[in-house]
Amino acid sequence: AQTVTQSQPEMSVQEAETVTLSCTYDTSESDYYLFWYKQPPSRQMILVIRQEAYKQQNATENRFSVNFQKAAKSFSLKISDSQLGDAAMYFCAYRNNYQLIWGAGTKLIIKP
Amino acid sequence: GAGVSQTPSNKVTEKGKYVELRCDPISGHTALYWYRQSLGQGPEFLIYFQGTGAADDSGLPNDRFFAVRPEGSVSTLKIQRTERGDSAVYLCASSPYKGGSYNEQFFGPGTRLTVL
Repeated sequence: AQTVTQSQPEMSVQEAETVTLSCTYDTSESDYYLFWYKQPPSRQMILVIRQEAYKQQNATENRFSVNFQKAAKSFSLKISDSQLGDAAMYFCAYRNNYQLIWGAGTKLIIKP
Repeated sequence: GAGVSQTPSNKVTEKGKYVELRCDPISGHTALYWYRQSLGQGPEFLIYFQGTGAADDSGLPNDRFFAVRPEGSVSTLKIQRTERGDSAVYLCASSPYKGGSYNEQFFGPGTRLTVL
């Protein structure tokens, strides 16, 4: 069975600095998707970035980028120029076919 | 356009009672998903609908949980004889279906269920 592990329950970063959130996963599949979602106190899950496993190039969305290491089954999220609005829970998720499998989340605190 | 909506936003009930949680997906989305998120955890898959039928209900924890989507749009998650362990945020998501290609899931704000 596929599993997703986020080993950092909480991370903090100074505003405007860079922070990296870690995620590892386990699967025997070769074709899948990986995601980072943001969940603010409003509870709504917001897609931050996604990565297709067959693509070697790391995905980038403005200040958000990933370091995807397929052989190591690692998928970290880097947030550059952190802003107060980035404060939230961040979840790493794996998808094969339609079902999303989630990590336990990392709480990101932004220090002004 | 309108996103996924869920009602009620919060629901407090007593142990043993019956509850219904409603999800209105994005118009035109044929796929609908329910997840349960316990405190301090990531969401866990409950059930997936493609159209009116439940394509995969393997995540439903027991037979007290049931979900329907009679017209292929709105879905209702029904929980009988609620227990304190059912307390969680119930998230609904919908996605278009494009024949096996990537289909992003769009989430609603969830219903927080508290069983006293």
